[in-house]
Amino acid sequence: DTEVTQTPKHLVMGMTNKKSLKCEQHMGHRAMYWYKQKAKKPPELMFVYSYEKLSINESVPSRFSPECPNSSLLNLHLHALQPEDSALYLCASSSTGGNGYTFGSGTRLTVV
Amino acid sequence: AQSVTQLDSHVSVSEGTPVLLRCNYSSSYSPSLFWYVQHPNKGLQLLLKYTSAATLVKGINGFEAEFKKSETSFHLTKPSAHMSDAAEYFCVVSKGGGFKTIFGAGTRLFVKA
Repeated sequence: DTEVTQTPKHLVMGMTNKKSLKCEQHMGHRAMYWYKQKAKKPPELMFVYSYEKLSINESVPSRFSPECPNSSLLNLHLHALQPEDSALYLCASSSTGGNGYTFGSGTRLTVV
Repeated sequence: AQSVTQLDSHVSVSEGTPVLLRCNYSSSYSPSLFWYVQHPNKGLQLLLKYTSAATLVKGINGFEAEFKKSETSFHLTKPSAHMSDAAEYFCVVSKGGGFKTIFGAGTRLFVKA
C-alpha cells in the first residue's frame, strides 16, 4: 500500500460545528503532516507528528487540534472555524530518511 | 536559512514541445530538492528528488531535473509536453523534513493543443 487516504473528500460546516478530518497510511512512515492550502498558493505546514511527537506551527489558531492515535492514523479536529479557514487540507507522510512526502488527495473544507 | 524561488508563475507551451520550469534555491548547507505536481483539486505527487547522488535526476512521466550547485538551480524539464502535464508544479528545498521543508510559490503549466 503506497497511499495516504483522507476522509472526507469534501466537508461543509457551520461556524459552530465540530468536525474531524481523518488520514491513514500503511507505509510504515513515522512522520505525518497536516498542510493547509489556499487557492493558487503553496501548502502551508500546520502540524508535524514525528514518532508520534507533535510539533506545531505557532501561527495556527487553537480552533485546529491535531491528534495521532497511532503511527498510521492522523486526525485534525475542527471547532468554531471561520470562513477564512475554508481551504484544501492535505495530509502527508514520510520516512525519516528525507525521501520526500506522500500526499493524500485532500479534504476540501468550506466554512459557512 | 533556506529559500526557494520559482522564476515563472505561469508557463505556456504547445503539445509536443519541450517544457522548462525554473527553480533557484538558497541554502547554507547541502539540501535535498524535490519537484511535486498538483493537478486541479488533487493532492501533490512527487515527481523526482535530488539527495546528493547523481546531479541529473530522472523522475516519473518523462520529467527530469539537473542539480547545478554553482548556479544554485534545480530546473525541471521534459522533452515533449503532453496535455496531461497541465498542472501546478512546486519546487521544494528541505533539510530534515518538517518545518525545514520550504515550498516554492508554484508554476502553473499550460499546454496548448
